[in-house]
Amino acid sequence: DAGITQSPRYKITETGRQVTLMCHQTWSHSYMFWYRQDLGHGLRLIYYSAAADITDKGEVPDGYVVSRSKTENFPLTLESATRSQTSVYFCASSEGLTGEGGLAKNIQYFGAGTRLSVL
Amino acid sequence: AQSVAQPEDQVNVAEGNPLTVKCTYSVSGNPYLFWYVQYPNRGLQFLLKYITGDNLVKGSYGFEAEFNKSQTSFHLKKPSALVSDSALYFCAVRRGRNTGFQKLVFGTGTRLLVSP
Repeated sequence: DAGITQSPRYKITETGRQVTLMCHQTWSHSYMFWYRQDLGHGLRLIYYSAAADITDKGEVPDGYVVSRSKTENFPLTLESATRSQTSVYFCASSEGLTGEGGLAKNIQYFGAGTRLSVL
Repeated sequence: AQSVAQPEDQVNVAEGNPLTVKCTYSVSGNPYLFWYVQYPNRGLQFLLKYITGDNLVKGSYGFEAEFNKSQTSFHLKKPSALVSDSALYFCAVRRGRNTGFQKLVFGTGTRLLVSP
């Protein structure tokens, strides 16, 4: 199916365990993003990627690792999960982030989210 | 740094009445402004955006938003609310530069509840 999909939708894990959240998009969008959504904070950017093999930190990157070996996939790994990482995680993609000449390229498209609970 | 304020955690409106969800922003230079909607257990969906041009922007599902530069606001409006409009609404802003990565900053969200 076309679009952006996240897996798993729900995950329960224990502190100290490694967890990987998957994100796959079929549009060949160049940009991909990971956000976390917490009450009172809205969405905060964890990491983003401008293209395959190009990633950079966002607002709250500590405790997370990303990779992007293929354009369509952008997994997020919690190397040693902590309770503070309990959250809803959203992956998003965008065709690009150019200026006025690429108006449609500024839109980000979101997956359905992964609800992660760290016990 | 850019920021967005959504002053109301929740907005209640009766079906058929007009609705307004407020958003003010802070950014250096020209802003790119967005509204997204989130239904339960779903990701965010794009509603509308302001990049340049007409201050009144029309979007999906009958929503519109007015860009007011002097008041640094981008309020979301709809003339007649539907029960199905009940959802969580996010305003977002980024700097309108043509080069380099400009991150999208989201507000904390406003829950819209439309009663029958």
